[in-house]
Amino acid sequence: AQTVTQSQPEMSVQEAETVTLSCTYDTSESDYYLFWYKQPPSRQMILVIRQEAYKQQNATENRFSVNFQKAAKSFSLKISDSQLGDAAMYFCAYRSAMDSNYQLIWGAGTKLIIKP
Amino acid sequence: NAGVTQTPKFRILKIGQSMTLQCTQDMNHNYMYWYRQDPGMGLKLIYYSVGAGITDKGEVPNGYNVSRSTTEDFPLRLELAAPSQTSVYFCASSYFLSSGNTIYFGEGSWLTVV
Repeated sequence: AQTVTQSQPEMSVQEAETVTLSCTYDTSESDYYLFWYKQPPSRQMILVIRQEAYKQQNATENRFSVNFQKAAKSFSLKISDSQLGDAAMYFCAYRSAMDSNYQLIWGAGTKLIIKP
Repeated sequence: NAGVTQTPKFRILKIGQSMTLQCTQDMNHNYMYWYRQDPGMGLKLIYYSVGAGITDKGEVPNGYNVSRSTTEDFPLRLELAAPSQTSVYFCASSYFLSSGNTIYFGEGSWLTVV
């Protein structure tokens, strides 16, 4: 069974600086998808970025980028120029490409604190 | 552009009561899901549906029931509420074979059982 591990329960960063959130996963499959979701205090889950395992190029969305290391089964999220609005829980999630039911496997989350 | 809409947003139930959490999506998605999120934890799948008339159990289905009579609606029924069901519930939906494989979430429903 696949698992997703986020080893940092909490991270803090100074506003305007860069922070990296870690995520590792365990799978025997070669084709899958990885996601980072943001959950602000409002508790709504918001997709931040996604990565297809078959793509070698790391995904980027504005200030958010990932470092996808397939061999190491690592999927870290880098937030550049941190803003106060980035404060939230961040969840890493995995979905098998073989799973036609689109079920996500979630990490426990990392709380990101932005210091003004 | 509503997306996934859940109601109610907040509810307090007494032990043994029943209620239904409503979920509707206007994106014509085939797949719909119900998750629960306990404090400090990730999401756990309760039930999911791959299309109208088809539902299946997820990781934590006990104490819940669902139905999918239309593509748009996927209500979650809690029978005989228990304190262990105090949680935040999220409804979500996605396309089959979506190019982005993205799951869209509702805003969540806070349920407290006392």
